[in-house]
Amino acid sequence: DADVTQTPRNRITKTGKRIMLECSQTKGHDRMYWYRQDPGLGLRLIYYSFDVKDINKGEISDGYSVSRQAQAKFSLSLESAIPNQTALYFCATSDLGGSGRDEQFFGPGTRLTVL
Amino acid sequence: AQSVTQPDIHITVSEGASLELRCNYSYGATPYLFWYVQSPGQGLQLLLKYFSGDTLVQGIKGFEAEFKRSQSSFNLRKPSVHWSDAAEYFCAVGAVNTGNQFYFGTGTSLTVIP
Repeated sequence: DADVTQTPRNRITKTGKRIMLECSQTKGHDRMYWYRQDPGLGLRLIYYSFDVKDINKGEISDGYSVSRQAQAKFSLSLESAIPNQTALYFCATSDLGGSGRDEQFFGPGTRLTVL
Repeated sequence: AQSVTQPDIHITVSEGASLELRCNYSYGATPYLFWYVQSPGQGLQLLLKYFSGDTLVQGIKGFEAEFKRSQSSFNLRKPSVHWSDAAEYFCAVGAVNTGNQFYFGTGTSLTVIP
């Protein structure tokens, strides 16, 4: 089984709908991240979490919220989806002990389309 | 501010030819540098990473990268490209003071022709 899983893998929704993307990991890592990928822009950080009680905004957090339900689960919500949130969304994890040294492990991605 | 630049949006090489993908970074301290590969429809997989020490780093799938502090570069190389290397490649810098936050380049798309 994959170490980092994301559900759903694909989602098409309409403007104004609330959407939740879920991420689960079995790596036992404390740190979790949500990124979005857009063509020509690379990956940009939305939110990151050091542990269940520690959540931080990333570069592009406007229009998004997150919930860290447990060490292994980190959900991303779009409260009212808009078309420019159409993108590929990735969840990632890393271990606690590295101060920038630790690689991040990525899930397979969720392709979200907002009509 | 931290940033990563990948100047080449798209590169086409012939199978068996050598490959070099460019990456330049801007970071105020010693950088932690990474190269990831994204195959079509897949997540990102780590190819190699640099923290300190030997500036020539070996990775998986026959890739290597060289850290050059004077040029703020961390270019990825492979002596002989295989058709399966066709993918998107991302360079990233890890920020020490913000909880392992990564800054990614915009990516280089590699096409391999027979």
